[in-house]
Amino acid sequence: AQKITQTQPGMFVQEKEAVTLDCTYDTSDPSYGLFWYKQPSSGEMIFLIYQGSYDQQNATEGRYSLNFQKARKSANLVISASQLGDSAMYFCAISRGFKTIFGAGTRLFVKA
Amino acid sequence: DVKVTQSSRYLVKRTGEKVFLECVQDMDHENMFWYRQDPGLGLRLIYFSYDVKMKEKGDIPEGYSVSREKKERFSLILESASTNQTSMYLCASRPQWEGLTGELFFGEGSRLTVL
Repeated sequence: AQKITQTQPGMFVQEKEAVTLDCTYDTSDPSYGLFWYKQPSSGEMIFLIYQGSYDQQNATEGRYSLNFQKARKSANLVISASQLGDSAMYFCAISRGFKTIFGAGTRLFVKA
Repeated sequence: DVKVTQSSRYLVKRTGEKVFLECVQDMDHENMFWYRQDPGLGLRLIYFSYDVKMKEKGDIPEGYSVSREKKERFSLILESASTNQTSMYLCASRPQWEGLTGELFFGEGSRLTVL
């Protein structure tokens, strides 16, 4: 069975600084996808970034990058130059087949 | 713009009532999903559908059923609501052509309170 672990229930970061949100996963599948989603207080889940298990390069999308370490089964999200609007819940997820499994989430607070 | 619409943002129901949560997507997606979200537990998959009239149990299907009579609509049914079903319910969809690892498109969620 697949499993996602996010060990940081809450984190604080100063505006304009970088922050890393941790994610480790457990799967026996050779092929899978890793995702990060953002959930602002409005409730809607927003897709941020995707990393395929066979991708050689770490994924990047604007200020978001995914630090993928396959051997360690970790897929940490790095947000550079944090903004106040980055305050939200962040979920790591793994997908194989039709199912996408989510972690418990990390709540990020950006301080002015 | 892609759109997944959930019929109700907030519902309050009584124990034992039958509850329908409706989800409609306008993107012609084949796959649709229902999750529930609880603090500290993240999102847990209740049911999913990979095509019209097709449905599969997710990780926590007990107490729920689903219906997908049309491609754009996926309904979650609580046959007899209980207080432990108080939660946020999120509907999502995904196109089949993106393969097995495509991103999910979510609705805004339905917060259900069962008294």
